[in-house]
Amino acid sequence: KQEVTQIPAALSVPEGENLVLNCSFTDSAIYNLQWFRQDPGKGLTSLLLIQSSQREQTSGRLNASLDKSSGRSTLYIAASQPGDSATYLCAVRGIYSGAGSYQLTFGKGTKLSVIP
Amino acid sequence: NAGVMQNPRHLVRRRGQEARLRCSPVKGHSHVYWYRQLPEEGLKFMVYLQKENIIDESGMPKERFSAEFPKEGPSILRIQQVVRGDSAAYFCASSLQGLENTEAFFGQGTRLTVV
Repeated sequence: KQEVTQIPAALSVPEGENLVLNCSFTDSAIYNLQWFRQDPGKGLTSLLLIQSSQREQTSGRLNASLDKSSGRSTLYIAASQPGDSATYLCAVRGIYSGAGSYQLTFGKGTKLSVIP
Repeated sequence: NAGVMQNPRHLVRRRGQEARLRCSPVKGHSHVYWYRQLPEEGLKFMVYLQKENIIDESGMPKERFSAEFPKEGPSILRIQQVVRGDSAAYFCASSLQGLENTEAFFGQGTRLTVV
C-alpha cells in the first residue's frame, strides 16, 4: 500500500528566504507526482506535475525534483513571499493493477508560513 | 474558462438527513474523481467516474454513499442518513483523459458539517 509522508508538517520562514519542502513515498512504482497548494478553506491548486520519466519541473520561483528510485521529491521555493503562505500537498499516482492506478495518494501536507 | 465547480461550498445537515454534493468538471473533461479530507487528515480517494460509468469505487464506504455522473449534468455524490463522522471537506477533480500521466484539476470543495 502506497504511503506518502511530508516533512516538516509546518514551517515558518522570513520573507525572501529560499526553502525546500520534502515528500517521500514508499512504493517507487508511480506514474507521476503532483504538487498542490491549498489555502485555508479553499480548494487545491495544481503547481507542478512530474512524470515518472522526468527528474524535475520548473514554474516561476518553484522547482520540483523527483528521485523515483529513492521515493523522494522536493519542492524548492525561491525568494519566498508572504503570499506563498499555504499548505503544500504532495500526491503520487501509483502503478496498480486494475482501476487503482487512477487514484492519487496524498501526503498530509506542509503548512508554510512566510513572515513579512 | 471555468475550472471545476462544486456546490454548495458549505452544507449543514442534521444527523439522518441526506447530503447531495455537486461537481461540474472542467469543460470538455469526462473523467471525475471524488476525494474526502477529514480534519487533520490527508485527502483520501473515494470514487472515479466517467460519463455514466463508475470505474473505481474502492474508496467509497460500503453503505450510505453513492456517486453518479450522468450523461447530462454534474456529477453527484450522495450521502444518505448522514452521521457526525461524515463531516469533512469533499473535493472533486476532473481530467481530460483517464490516462495515468494526466493532470488532475481540483474544485474548491464542499464542506459538510453534520450537526
